Amino acid sequence: SQQGEEDPQALSIQEGENATMNCSYKTSINNLQWYRQNSGRGLVHLILIRSNEREKHSGRLRVTLDTSKKSSSLLITASRAADTASYFCATEAHYGGSQGNLIFGKGTKLSVKP
Amino acid sequence: NAGVMQNPRHLVRRRGQEARLRCSPMKGHSHVYWYRQLPEEGLKFMVYLQKENIIDESGMPKERFSAEFPKEGPSILRIQQVVRGDSAAYFCASSGQGREKLFFGSGTQLSVL
Repeated sequence: SQQGEEDPQALSIQEGENATMNCSYKTSINNLQWYRQNSGRGLVHLILIRSNEREKHSGRLRVTLDTSKKSSSLLITASRAADTASYFCATEAHYGGSQGNLIFGKGTKLSVKP
Repeated sequence: NAGVMQNPRHLVRRRGQEARLRCSPMKGHSHVYWYRQLPEEGLKFMVYLQKENIIDESGMPKERFSAEFPKEGPSILRIQQVVRGDSAAYFCASSGQGREKLFFGSGTQLSVL
């Protein structure tokens, strides 16, 4: 079963609206990361939030982490057509030391209409 | 200042042939990871290598798949006797000493006819 599960699977919004994506995971973590993937391309790292952090901002991105619920959310504010992509959360497979063995969910496919 | 370079971008093979996928990590990175992605799926970890060493191959199929990262040159993911089920996008990533943040290449799309 997936360590990271994103929700919703697909999201369609208008430019200027906010987009919220959620991620749930199963085991203890050191950190949780969000990546973005444009169609047919590799993943781009967006943001990393550590287990002792509750919220983190980067530009128009806001990530929250609730370790008691084993969940995270990614908020993109004032979305643009260029934000259209798939968004994945990832956690490390080995708690206690990331080895780059990340477990990705199936992603949320975001479509931002101009 | 090139990022992670993968080639070829697209690779077509017939069943039974061999596929060789190459990955040059970002400059200064000594950790290389290979992931596989099926359509509409997330990435699945295959193997983690450092120069001349396989650190974690827990995601590699037991047969037909091998990976190396020699002292000189790119990392190679090799798939022998390919089958249709091997058709997927294969991504390489690299990281620096911190190993938390991965930098991904654009991937190799393998199609097996």
